[in-house]
Amino acid sequence: NAGVMQNPRHLVRRRGQEARLRCSPMKGHSHVYWYRQLPEEGLKFMVYLQKENIIDESGMPKERFSAEFPKEGPSILRIQQVVRGDSAAYFCASSPDLGETQYFGPGTRLLVL
Amino acid sequence: EDQVTQSPEALRLQEGESSSLNCSYTVSGLRGLFWYRQDPGKGPEFLFTLYSAGEEKEKERLKATLTKKESFLHITAPKPEDSATYLCALDNYGQNFVFGPGTRLSVLP
Repeated sequence: NAGVMQNPRHLVRRRGQEARLRCSPMKGHSHVYWYRQLPEEGLKFMVYLQKENIIDESGMPKERFSAEFPKEGPSILRIQQVVRGDSAAYFCASSPDLGETQYFGPGTRLLVL
Repeated sequence: EDQVTQSPEALRLQEGESSSLNCSYTVSGLRGLFWYRQDPGKGPEFLFTLYSAGEEKEKERLKATLTKKESFLHITAPKPEDSATYLCALDNYGQNFVFGPGTRLSVLP
């Protein structure tokens, strides 16, 4: 059973460009969570999605950031007009249901030049 | 606001020197407490889930325990390969986990 997959693993963007981060949950998991981790800091919740629905986006900045989890295909975290402060590791996790163990992907490391 | 703190922030042990990591929390309701291990440049790896005070879980050299206010991760006779950041997270019946800042463990040969 493949684990949570994320791509790309590393992404370099210039200020003002768009970043698209993809996450494929574990087989059988319909709940997806996105977290951001800054160097030497803990994981901060961004958004929680189920298929075709955003359930909780309270941790996601209201501007420039958006997330989706379509019926078919991976979940996508989209950052428009990136700024240097967006540089971080972005992790996706999935679970079979709310309240159950979340399993994490390897992360996407975004560097904004 | 629900909070999770971890201590110490960093810990250096000699190989074979047992110790414990602490995770303290203030929460209105606790559905579960989770321990993860994170290696540099990688995603968190699940270790344990604890659901009620008094519960204990073991895996190789690691044992996790839970009380009403805190959880401990005991490491017995650690090896250098146990070096990592250990994260605790709680499920407070919300929509996401609340993570602590982690404890960076270094085990020297």
